[in-house]
Amino acid sequence: EPEVTQTPSHQVTQMGQEVILRCVPISNHLYFYWYRQILGQKVEFLVSFYNNEISEKSEIFDDQFSVERPDGSNFTLKIRSTKLEDSAMYFCASRRTSGSSYNEQFFGPGTRLTVL
Amino acid sequence: AQKVTQAQTEISVVEKEDVTLDCVYETRDTTYYLFWYKQPPSGELVFLIRRNSFDEQNEISGRYSWNFQKSTSSFNFTITASQVVDSAVYFCALILNTGGFKTIFGAGTRLFVKA
Repeated sequence: EPEVTQTPSHQVTQMGQEVILRCVPISNHLYFYWYRQILGQKVEFLVSFYNNEISEKSEIFDDQFSVERPDGSNFTLKIRSTKLEDSAMYFCASRRTSGSSYNEQFFGPGTRLTVL
Repeated sequence: AQKVTQAQTEISVVEKEDVTLDCVYETRDTTYYLFWYKQPPSGELVFLIRRNSFDEQNEISGRYSWNFQKSTSSFNFTITASQVVDSAVYFCALILNTGGFKTIFGAGTRLFVKA
């Protein structure tokens, strides 16, 4: 069964460093998402991406964040200058269609980011 | 505004007890989708069920059952004869039929099942 994969599973970085979190969505999916879950809290939407551009972003997704689909398979989240409060689990998700009918959103296993 | 409320922060039960996790949602949209996810200690999100707003049929899957009531905007989840392996955080979530289909999660309910 196809699945969304994320690398690395755990990333430790120093405050102020840039990090790139990687995701490989399911191959025939067209919509991609990033979510964040601070430890012990709920999962929060960050950004959605379709047709090589951001379709929606939350207020959390400020200028420190960017997303990219550098090739036909990867979908990345970059944090330019990490802060302590960026420590969280980051989930990638993908969805098959852009049409009006909904298709299930598939979540990856997450990348735990620790900022020291 | 769209919102999902899980009023129960933590629930503790003894194995074999039945437990119901509450979920109340808010939306003005007529088309939407409701979900439950399980998050075990390992951290991944495990999909449990999806319901669309036009399908109010309740569903049973093994020890799990779901009660969707549009009149009260609730989508409650019951585990029958709970087991230690059910211990996890459970999230209720809402997706609207808008362009981005982003998922709006509730705060989660942490379930402890003691042997």
